[in-house]
Amino acid sequence: DGGITQSPKYLFRKEGQNVTLSCEQNLNHDAMYWYRQDPGQGLRLIYYSQIVNDFQKGDIAEGYSVSREKKESFPLTVTSAQKNPTAFYLCASSIGPGGKYGYTFGSGTRLTVV
Amino acid sequence: RKEVEQDPGPFNVPEGATVAFNCTYSNSASQSFFWYRQDCRKEPKLLMSVYSSGNEDGRFTAQLNRASQYISLLIRDSKLSDSATYLCVVNVIGPGGGNKLTFGTGTQLKVEL
Repeated sequence: DGGITQSPKYLFRKEGQNVTLSCEQNLNHDAMYWYRQDPGQGLRLIYYSQIVNDFQKGDIAEGYSVSREKKESFPLTVTSAQKNPTAFYLCASSIGPGGKYGYTFGSGTRLTVV
Repeated sequence: RKEVEQDPGPFNVPEGATVAFNCTYSNSASQSFFWYRQDCRKEPKLLMSVYSSGNEDGRFTAQLNRASQYISLLIRDSKLSDSATYLCVVNVIGPGGGNKLTFGTGTQLKVEL
């Protein structure tokens, strides 16, 4: 079955450490996105990529980095520069740029800084 | 003004009731509109797209009013399983010029016996 896989489901990090969240899709989608969701709040866009080897900052990119070396993969690194990293991170993909047909989401990674 | 605005609720309704959610968006150039459903601690899932002519999927009806920049979702004969947060989603032009979807903060629905 096609879909988006995010791993790990839960992640605990010590302050000052970088951590990388995995996102893999086998839907043959061109565009991929990373969102962050805090309790009781909406989704906020971190980074997005419309084609391989290209990506753009979203609304809250500071303290995060991404790469898009393969169409299937869009990993997100949460660096020590991110002041409040504890959140629910969601990866999504869409057939073409802009999400004309909507996004498909992975099941998310819950990151907790301890 | 937020790009997409929704009443956060919660809407507490009895089973079998009809409930309507509204959403407004600020970018008049938006072209794509959706309702997503998000269960507690889960990822959002596409409920339905919203078309200018209005569209229906079983107990769910979506309407779009471009002139007023307003989207609605009507749920008839509410079920306990409809309890979730409903997200209004609109595409906007991003800072780099690319299209992207913007999500409202969601309206929480609780269907009770």
